[in-house]
Amino acid sequence: GEDVEQSLFLSVREGDSSVINCTYTDSSSTYLYWYKQEPGAGLQLLTYIFSNMDMKQDQRLTVLLNKKDKHLSLRIADTQTGDSAIYFCAEPDASGGSYIPTFGRGTSLIVHP
Amino acid sequence: DAGVTQSPTHLIKTRGQQVTLRCSPISGHKSVSWYQQVLGQGPQFIFQYYEKEERGRGNFPDRFSARQFPNYSSELNVNALLLGDSALYLCASSLSGQGGFYEQYFGPGTRLTVT
Repeated sequence: GEDVEQSLFLSVREGDSSVINCTYTDSSSTYLYWYKQEPGAGLQLLTYIFSNMDMKQDQRLTVLLNKKDKHLSLRIADTQTGDSAIYFCAEPDASGGSYIPTFGRGTSLIVHP
Repeated sequence: DAGVTQSPTHLIKTRGQQVTLRCSPISGHKSVSWYQQVLGQGPQFIFQYYEKEERGRGNFPDRFSARQFPNYSSELNVNALLLGDSALYLCASSLSGQGGFYEQYFGPGTRLTVT
């Protein structure tokens, strides 16, 4: 089965860039997700990248995909205190045709003023 | 439009009891999925329903069951509660649940505490 790994914590200063890393195991994944969970809330799809892409940029967010190393990263430029949250990397489990996302343990991003 | 709603928000139960959690998907969404999120972990998939039929099941014991109603709302039932069932239970809805890329929209969750 799929196994997604992430570092547990990241602390940055407001205005700096944040880089959250993730490794995944299923080389056949056709896309990968990044979700954000704010305290006391459900998950929100932040962005995604298809496996035929190496990079995707969306405003302050940049996603890099290294398929050879099965490594995914999320860069947040000009990090703000409102970006403090838990960030989950996820890949779809294609078994059974349902493509249910399999989540990592999440990286807690703490932004200091 | 309202997002995914879940009820209740919080719940405290005793070991051995049974619990029912409820979820209403976004209007027009036909698929509902349930996840368990234990503190400090990522969400773990429990069930997916599409058009009232079970389309996927995670690695959870038979004490967990679910169903989807004709209006696409869903219930998750857990029998014979254990302390380890204490978690945030998340519901997610999507337009479809089959094949390819689709976006799931998550509700705020139900916090279940088993004492």
